[in-house]
Amino acid sequence: GNSVTQMEGPVTLSEEAFLTINCTYTATGYPSLFWYVQYPGEGLQLLLKATKADDKGSNKGFEATYRKETTSFHLEKGSVQVSDSAVYFCALGLTKDYKLSFGAGTTVTVRA
Amino acid sequence: KAGVTQTPRYLIKTRGQQVTLSCSPISGHRSVSWYQQTPGQGLQFLFEYFSETQRNKGNFPGRFSGRQFSNSRSEMNVSTLELGDSALYLCASSFQGAFSYEQYFGPGTRLTVT
Repeated sequence: GNSVTQMEGPVTLSEEAFLTINCTYTATGYPSLFWYVQYPGEGLQLLLKATKADDKGSNKGFEATYRKETTSFHLEKGSVQVSDSAVYFCALGLTKDYKLSFGAGTTVTVRA
Repeated sequence: KAGVTQTPRYLIKTRGQQVTLSCSPISGHRSVSWYQQTPGQGLQFLFEYFSETQRNKGNFPGRFSGRQFSNSRSEMNVSTLELGDSALYLCASSFQGAFSYEQYFGPGTRLTVT
């Protein structure tokens, strides 16, 4: 089946540190890949996406590259801020599947 | 443009009761999906509707059901509630479906079963 495995948390960082969250996937076919973020007490928000191999999604300083050869979509940010503290979810979606399959989520806490 | 709204935001029910949750998608969005979020199981897909038709359903017992109305609003119903049904239920809408379009999530309904 289709599944996403992401790095276990929690992750605690100091402000301006480099963040990377690993995500790998298993899928039949060619999925689109997503990173969603959930702030405390809120629903999920789409952070970035990539729809085909070698695409790079980017938003708010975050980046992730769709690597078909390693079935990965790792999230990176060069300099985190306290406001980046949240839970990050990697997800995949397949054409005609009409659903997202999510990873377990990684809690990130950034300290001033 | 107003976001996805879910009502009620919080709900406390007793085992054996039933519950109906409501979701109003963003205007113009025709696809509505439901997810259950728990600390143990994470985010699990419940079902997806498009133009009043269920296109996919997750691995949940028949106690979980849903429907979509002609105005794209959606409801999900859980009958004979169990303690394990305590969760955050998230609704998401998109113009088409998840695979190539953004999913916009509501804030969720927090259901507690006692």
